[in-house]
Amino acid sequence: ETVMTQSPATLSVSPGDRATLSCRASQSITRNLAWYQHKPGQAPRLLIYGASTRASGVPVRFSGSGSGTDFTLTISSLQPEDCAVYYCQQYINWPPQLTFGGGTKVEIK
Amino acid sequence: QVQLQESGPGLVKPSETLSLTCTLSGGSVSSGSYYWTWIRQSRGRGLEWIGSVYSSGTPHYNPSLQSRVIISTDTFDNNFSLRLTSVTAADTAVYYCARYSGFYVDHWYYGLDVWGQGATVTVSS
Repeated sequence: ETVMTQSPATLSVSPGDRATLSCRASQSITRNLAWYQHKPGQAPRLLIYGASTRASGVPVRFSGSGSGTDFTLTISSLQPEDCAVYYCQQYINWPPQLTFGGGTKVEIK
Repeated sequence: QVQLQESGPGLVKPSETLSLTCTLSGGSVSSGSYYWTWIRQSRGRGLEWIGSVYSSGTPHYNPSLQSRVIISTDTFDNNFSLRLTSVTAADTAVYYCARYSGFYVDHWYYGLDVWGQGATVTVSS
């Protein structure tokens, strides 16, 4: 089983500053990685797939990078509405197997 | 625009079976190349994949839950369902249904692009 480790657990960032979230896989997953934003009381939202492609409607301030075992989600200029928990998720194509990281909570400093 | 809505009992007794249904609107469970998926989140914990079923194919389950889970589709009622047997307090969670879709860039990549709002299920006597 591929274990996904996210860091830090909590990230405090001032409005307008950059937020950098990390996700590490216990073995290479090439670019089979997605990122989600999850706000309390709401359904999670797909932000990034294929490690770096923004999903439809996602603001350009969100960007993803990485391949293999190390991945990064960057919010270039944090907005108050970006406060949420962010999860990375890896998958094995066949048979489908999905694993989530433990999440990073982003809060306003 | 496909929308998903979970339904089912909010309270289940220990050792009994948890049953949830996810109803689609704006789309069909039998069309397209999608995996219909269940995810859960226990209090204070992250997201956990329960399993997925292709539009009309074989389901695939999280190995840690495989012995207790059944996910199936119902094309007549346009929904898919989750059954989790022999539940304990550890199964108390918010259960989400979601659509697992493929996106072609230079390669096929996948993501959970449509989600229901979630159903809270408590296991307690």
